[in-house]
Amino acid sequence: DAKTTQPPSMDCAEGRAANLPCNHSTISGNEYVYWYRQIHSQGPQYIIHGLKNNETNEMASLIITEDRKSSTLILPHATLRDTAVYYCIVLNAGNNRKLIWGLGTSLAVNP
Amino acid sequence: NAGVMQNPRHLVRRRGQEARLRCSPMKGHSHVYWYRQLPEEGLKFMVYLQKENIIDESGMPKERFSAEFPKEGPSILRIQQVVRGDSAAYFCASSPPLPFNIQYFGAGTRLSVL
Repeated sequence: DAKTTQPPSMDCAEGRAANLPCNHSTISGNEYVYWYRQIHSQGPQYIIHGLKNNETNEMASLIITEDRKSSTLILPHATLRDTAVYYCIVLNAGNNRKLIWGLGTSLAVNP
Repeated sequence: NAGVMQNPRHLVRRRGQEARLRCSPMKGHSHVYWYRQLPEEGLKFMVYLQKENIIDESGMPKERFSAEFPKEGPSILRIQQVVRGDSAAYFCASSPPLPFNIQYFGAGTRLSVL
């Protein structure tokens, strides 16, 4: 599975959009981009995933560049409860289902 | 639809004792995963199971650790003869069948070894 690179930390003001980048320059054609987050001391939570088209759900939007080498997770109106570590994970849709976790981005949403 | 249930939430064991961690997947999910998170570290994959089968145990320590997911009942992660280094949060996740690998996590079991 392709390796991902994320900034270690980011800050965002409450109510503003949080844009979290992820580089995955070695991604292959059958690999999806998944985003999870872990709020302190809780179990991780699935956010969104995509292959090549932009995706949106009730939690966030995922923008994938045309060459698929990078993506951005957008939380449109960040709240204090969005303070968490956000993980970008690249995985194929086949039988290899284990999630390999990097260090993620620690997002602090400030009042 | 209840989420992934893990119990106990907190478990205290003395060195040399056994620890049993239980995980009930979401209804309709036949895939279970265990991850470990050491203090101030990231999550590490341990094992992936389907009903009555271990699919991938590449992250499991070779000794003292075992996992099962029987036909009936929860998945069990068993740690024999615990040592202080086993103190960690153990998270279980479940997922529905393919095609997408969306894993739903429980709240975790915090194991403390005295």
